[in-house]
Amino acid sequence: DAGVTQSPTHLIKTRGQQVTLRCSPKSGHDTVSWYQQALGQGPQFIFQYYEEEERQRGNFPDRFSGHQYPNYSSELNVNALLLGDSALYLCASSLLQRTTDTQYFGPGTRLTVL
Amino acid sequence: AQSVTQLDSQVPVFEEAPVELRCNYSSSVSVYLFWYVQYPNQGLQLLLKYLSGSTLVKGINGFEAEFNKSQTSFHLRKPSVHISDTAEYFCAVIPYSSASKIIFGSGTRLSIRP
Repeated sequence: DAGVTQSPTHLIKTRGQQVTLRCSPKSGHDTVSWYQQALGQGPQFIFQYYEEEERQRGNFPDRFSGHQYPNYSSELNVNALLLGDSALYLCASSLLQRTTDTQYFGPGTRLTVL
Repeated sequence: AQSVTQLDSQVPVFEEAPVELRCNYSSSVSVYLFWYVQYPNQGLQLLLKYLSGSTLVKGINGFEAEFNKSQTSFHLRKPSVHISDTAEYFCAVIPYSSASKIIFGSGTRLSIRP
């Protein structure tokens, strides 16, 4: 049983560019959440997708957008990249109905903005 | 609003010594409590969680934590640490109403000296 997978592993972009990160949830999970972890900090909640809709959103600008496909996989898009967007982006999957269910995290995508 | 404070950013201990990582939270609503571990260059892994019932919770790798409602604390402990416990540890909460949005502390780096 594959866990949560993310691609790519690493990515280097320049300011102003756009980036797409991808996540495949753990088998049987229908909810995907995205987190940004800046160096030396804890992860910050970006948004959550369930049934192909954004259900919750953290304090991130509209430059951050996402999508969920019918197979529950998800994408995180960031437009007009800033230096401050450099971080590890983590994807987590779970079952929406079970708030107390364990969320499983992927290994992350490390984004560097130059 | 909720917040999580991890009182120590770094904790150095000798191998086979006991360790306690401190965590306090603030919330106007009831929360579920979690500890996650992040090994170098990896994603997050759940160590343990408190949902209800006994305030002493046992997790993986010999870790345990105690929920203290009056002090709004959820400190993590291990009686004897091993070199392999070297990692970043994150305390986190999920408010009852948030449908699995995790709020993390800033992390405590545990370094084990031989």
